[in-house]
Amino acid sequence: EVQLVESGGGLVQPGGSLRLSCTASGFTSSGHWMTWVRQAPGKGLEWVANINQIGGETHYVDSVKGRFTISRDNAKNSVFLQMNNLGVEDTAVYYCCRNGYTFDYWGQGTLVTVSS
Amino acid sequence: EKVMTQSPATLSVSPGERATLSCRASQSISNNLAWYQQKPGQAPRLLIYGASTRAPGVPARFSGSGSGTEFTLTISSLQSEDFGVYYCQRYGSWPLTFGGGTKVEIK
Repeated sequence: EVQLVESGGGLVQPGGSLRLSCTASGFTSSGHWMTWVRQAPGKGLEWVANINQIGGETHYVDSVKGRFTISRDNAKNSVFLQMNNLGVEDTAVYYCCRNGYTFDYWGQGTLVTVSS
Repeated sequence: EKVMTQSPATLSVSPGERATLSCRASQSISNNLAWYQQKPGQAPRLLIYGASTRAPGVPARFSGSGSGTEFTLTISSLQSEDFGVYYCQRYGSWPLTFGGGTKVEIK
């Protein structure tokens, strides 16, 4: 069974940093692009970033460029999102998703709250 | 940026009725469109990709159509488990973008 489990969310002050992790099981994640999508409370979905199979190609939504970094460790079947200089507008549930264009599996999400 | 606009924002439907959801792209996206269903407190679920191909396990009552800038998701006979928010999403180039969603509620 394919599973994606996110961790690392929590409460952080504006300007702070967090590192999200996503651990995959039930498939070989090295064979897939991986993606982070977020959803602010009561709002819609927003694509954040994705990374190719070997980590050599990454893409970001403009609002996080220069602040967020997506990476992966295929030996650990894991994908990460390093988030720096967080603002209140980054408050959201962050989902880890399989694939780079359409997302056939999603984790249950991890909540990031940016507040003073 | 290619903006995706969904309508209506809310659709009230009785069980057993047909539901038609629309998604419009600000520029042509060929058939690079997916649809997702999200229920409260749950992660989204992929329903349709390539504008009209059902994802594995998706019931046949869900169908997608369209190409270019105009797309439609049709639920032929709404079941109780189909209520929730539906999102369209364009792909094929970055940034990937979602529509604002259509909430399908019980009439």
